[in-house]
Amino acid sequence: DQQVKQNSPSLSVQEGRISILNCDYTNSMFDYFLWYKKYPAEGPTFLISISSIKDKNEDGRFTVFLNKSAKHLSLHIVPSQPGDSAVYFCAASAEYGNKLVFGAGTILRVKS
Amino acid sequence: DVKVTQSSRYLVKRTGEKVFLECVQDMDHENMFWYRQDPGLGLRLIYFSYDVKMKEKGDIPEGYSVSREKKERFSLILESASTNQTSMYLCASRGGRTNSPLHFGNGTRLTVT
Repeated sequence: DQQVKQNSPSLSVQEGRISILNCDYTNSMFDYFLWYKKYPAEGPTFLISISSIKDKNEDGRFTVFLNKSAKHLSLHIVPSQPGDSAVYFCAASAEYGNKLVFGAGTILRVKS
Repeated sequence: DVKVTQSSRYLVKRTGEKVFLECVQDMDHENMFWYRQDPGLGLRLIYFSYDVKMKEKGDIPEGYSVSREKKERFSLILESASTNQTSMYLCASRGGRTNSPLHFGNGTRLTVT
């Protein structure tokens, strides 16, 4: 059973608009959450993270929101750019996480 | 900048062959990991190592083994390759600081025929 779920396999957004990628988790022991971005033929690269003691973390155009009661997090990209087109993976860890559990990924396409 | 290098980008092997996937990192990281990426399943952890000669099973270790003889190098071994091991294999490393992010290599696309 997948502990981290990204229910939208793909998302298409117009350049300049907001992209919202969603992630749900089932393990209440998860206390740290990360988003990774992956371009074709490259490894995933770290994008942004959030600890369970926060409900929001911002880095430039990227903001991650955490709703612990709903076991849900989301990544907002504003404004979206064509270079943001990639696969986005949500990941979670528990207890100072040496093991990251990843979701299946969401393909984001930003149209110009 | 952290560099994680996987020795091969593409590999084609036959069923039953012994396969070695090599990974080297240049940042003196304590922790190294092997994941496989499959469509619809995301990244799944095969094995990880938190120190030289130390290893722990991940979520899908069956059919795999690992070796970490030097801090910078982590090898994934498929003892007898099977077609269901056709996949993208990703190596990663991270430092010892709590919640430091993983740094990934570019992956090895393995096809077992």
